[in-house]
Amino acid sequence: ELKVEQNPLFLSMQEGKNYTIYCNYSTTSDRLYWYRQDPGKSLESLFVLLSNGAVKQEGRLMASLDTKARLSTLHITAAVHDLSATYFCAVGSIQGAQKLVFGQGTRLTINP
Amino acid sequence: DVKVTQSSRYLVKRTGEKVFLECVQDMDHENMFWYRQDPGLGLRLIYFSYDVKMKEKGDIPEGYSVSREKKERFSLILESASTNQTSMYLCASSLPPRALGTDTQYFGPGTRLTVL
Repeated sequence: ELKVEQNPLFLSMQEGKNYTIYCNYSTTSDRLYWYRQDPGKSLESLFVLLSNGAVKQEGRLMASLDTKARLSTLHITAAVHDLSATYFCAVGSIQGAQKLVFGQGTRLTINP
Repeated sequence: DVKVTQSSRYLVKRTGEKVFLECVQDMDHENMFWYRQDPGLGLRLIYFSYDVKMKEKGDIPEGYSVSREKKERFSLILESASTNQTSMYLCASSLPPRALGTDTQYFGPGTRLTVL
């Protein structure tokens, strides 16, 4: 059974600092997604990572994938307040080819 | 832009009532999903459908049923609502994974259901 764990679950940081959110998963997968959710809003897709060593960047966010370690990271560079949100990783299940299994989410608060 | 809409943002029901949550997508997606979101547990899949009249159980189907009579519409039914079904319910739709990574799920705004 595919399990997905994120850490930390809560992160409070100051503007201008760098930090990383980790997403570990338990079984082989062929795709990994990162989503963002603002308070009271829906989930918005950020990145899809498909192969070992894949790296995607958008602004101050960079996501990477290590399939051998079953680990993805979401790195935040020089954080700004607008990045405050909850971030979810989701992993594609090979057995249930059309299902995604989500991590618990990381609530990120960036203080001025 | 993909649009996924849900019938209600907030809903309050009483224990034992039958509850219908509706979801509509406008992008002709084959796949539709119902999740519930609870603090600290992330999103948990209740049911999904990969075609009209087709459905498959997710991880927590107990106490729920679904209906998909038309491609654009996917309904979640709570036959007899209970207090432990108080939660945020999210609907999503996607294409099937014809090529790797094309099955990005697009989410609706959510329905916050309270069962008293």
